[in-house]
Amino acid sequence: GQQVMQIPQYQHVQEGEDFTTYCNSSTTLSNIQWYKQRPGGHPVFLIQLVKSGEVKKQKRLTFQFGEAKKNSSLHITATQTTDVGTYFCAGSSGGYQKVTFGTGTKLQVIP
Amino acid sequence: GAVVSQHPSWVICKSGTSVKIECRSLDFQATTMFWYRQFPKQSLMLMATSNEGSKATYEQGVEKDKFLINHASLTLSTLTVTSAHPEDSSFYICSARDGTHYEQYFGPGTRLTVT
Repeated sequence: GQQVMQIPQYQHVQEGEDFTTYCNSSTTLSNIQWYKQRPGGHPVFLIQLVKSGEVKKQKRLTFQFGEAKKNSSLHITATQTTDVGTYFCAGSSGGYQKVTFGTGTKLQVIP
Repeated sequence: GAVVSQHPSWVICKSGTSVKIECRSLDFQATTMFWYRQFPKQSLMLMATSNEGSKATYEQGVEKDKFLINHASLTLSTLTVTSAHPEDSSFYICSARDGTHYEQYFGPGTRLTVT
């Protein structure tokens, strides 16, 4: 079955440093979504990417979808303590009926 | 908008009993609902997908007779863990999606502990 891996598993950064998490799928994706889960909370939708090579920005967050539509990345510029949480990518290879969540990257920001 | 509630938020039950978890979309019609299981410090594992009015589609390895899913209306889906065992202890999260948007809206989750 489809597998979606993320690296790194954990990342500790000093506040103000940048952070990047990478997402890799074993199969070609039709779309990829990104979610953020705060400690003790539930996942919250951030964004969806659909097109090959697509880049989207949300303030300090930059999302990329690879040309082959098998990988994606999330980059946070100048991290803040509010960025703490686990970031999941979630890929779908057949419409939107089912998404497979990545393994997640837990971000810790040291003030 | 797009609020999903889950009830109960936590439950403790004895081994062998059944537990029902409700998932409700409060301000939209959820044509599709998903049930996930999340172990500590791990990712979300999709258990099943349910569309209103039809039988749920279970993921490989998920026992449909043990995890009964009913999507009775466009705002309510239930997951019943039958004959619960300690290994069923986990965090169960539902999500809902309407027919026009792709993003999933997650409920707050239910912490199940089976003693």
